[in-house]
Amino acid sequence: AQSVTQPDIHITVSEGASLELRCNYSYGATPYLFWYVQSPGQGLQLLLKYFSGDTLVQGIKGFEAEFKRSQSSFNLRKPSVHWSDAAEYFCAVGASRDDKIIFGKGTRLHILP
Amino acid sequence: EPEVTQTPSHQVTQMGQEVILRCVPISNHLYFYWYRQILGQKVEFLVSFYNNEISEKSEIFDDQFSVERPDGSNFTLKIRSTKLEDSAMYFCASSKNTGELFFGEGSRLTVL
Repeated sequence: AQSVTQPDIHITVSEGASLELRCNYSYGATPYLFWYVQSPGQGLQLLLKYFSGDTLVQGIKGFEAEFKRSQSSFNLRKPSVHWSDAAEYFCAVGASRDDKIIFGKGTRLHILP
Repeated sequence: EPEVTQTPSHQVTQMGQEVILRCVPISNHLYFYWYRQILGQKVEFLVSFYNNEISEKSEIFDDQFSVERPDGSNFTLKIRSTKLEDSAMYFCASSKNTGELFFGEGSRLTVL
């Protein structure tokens, strides 16, 4: 069964600084990987996904993520964060198209002015 | 842009009462899911539904839970006899064989 680990519960960065949120997955075959963002009291919005092909994927809001099979990682990055990026970020993994996806525990991002 | 809609946005109920949470998935989607998120915790898979039947369910989805697609548009989650620990945000999601799940805004359930 697949699982996801997000080792950082909270991360604080200054506005304008770069960001990297870590995600490690466990799954035997090639996983389907996702990053979702949740603002307080809101639903889950898909930032980006990886199914196959180019291991560097671009998403919305200036985010990107890189799939590294050798490290079982799918880290999320943004070169310059904005105050509006403060939210909870969830990495998720699926076994196949339209299979359930399993979420990590999330990383709460705080932005310093 | 089409979206998944959920009602009610917030429901308060007494322990032991039945609750029905409703979802209208995106119209041409074929796969439907319910997830829940207890306050401050991770988003947990409950059940997936395809072709008018449950395709997979988690350990959380016990006999107190049921799902139904009663009329071809709505997708409901019923909790027969609510417990305090059922208090959570419940998210509905749908997909169309693209691998991307589209989530609703959630229904917050508070059990007193």
